[in-house]
Amino acid sequence: SAVISQKPSRDICQRGTSLTIQCQVDSQVTMMFWYRQQPGQSLTLIATANQGSEATYESGFVIDKFPISRPNLTFSTLTVSNMSPEDSSIYLCSAGGGGLGAFFGQGTRLTVV
Amino acid sequence: KQEVTQIPAALSVPEGENLVLNCSFTDSAIYNLQWFRQDPGKGLTSLLLIQSSQREQTSGRLNASLDKSSGRSTLYIAASQPGDSATYLCAAGSSNTGKLIFGQGTTLQVKP
Repeated sequence: SAVISQKPSRDICQRGTSLTIQCQVDSQVTMMFWYRQQPGQSLTLIATANQGSEATYESGFVIDKFPISRPNLTFSTLTVSNMSPEDSSIYLCSAGGGGLGAFFGQGTRLTVV
Repeated sequence: KQEVTQIPAALSVPEGENLVLNCSFTDSAIYNLQWFRQDPGKGLTSLLLIQSSQREQTSGRLNASLDKSSGRSTLYIAASQPGDSATYLCAAGSSNTGKLIFGQGTTLQVKP
């Protein structure tokens, strides 16, 4: 399976600011996914990122709040905009599928104060 | 819309016990089912992947089964160890893209 590197691993941010999370895969993948895991909760899909097209957002998530870039087949970024304490979560990127299943980065633990 | 449920939410067992974690899903038209382990504050480690055409997969002390007709999967852990303490998540894939719907997880504590 491929390896996903996610940066930063953690951050503490002031409310009202934005944070961009980077996700690098060591092989080319068609789709990448961004998930949010709120404290004590399971993972919820934010959006699917395809190279060369706009991301597809799940219900309850909007592009203005979570803009996503996918400039090539190995890289994606998720920005959490105008942050509030409610955005404090672990954000994870994922890729893969098919016969190998999905694999995940180590996540970004975000705390908004 | 696919929904995934895991029972129990938490489990505490003494070391050495065999145990079963349960996962159910509402839409039997899944592409695959994947079990993950998550340590506190960390990312996900894939444990086992079962394709829709398969009934079970084994890796070491872990065995996962899949019954699409009943919408269930189980993760069997043999001879549990304190190092197995973690949250176990099951996730259903609806296609070969890697997009997953997750259950709420079972938090396992294995006491020495």
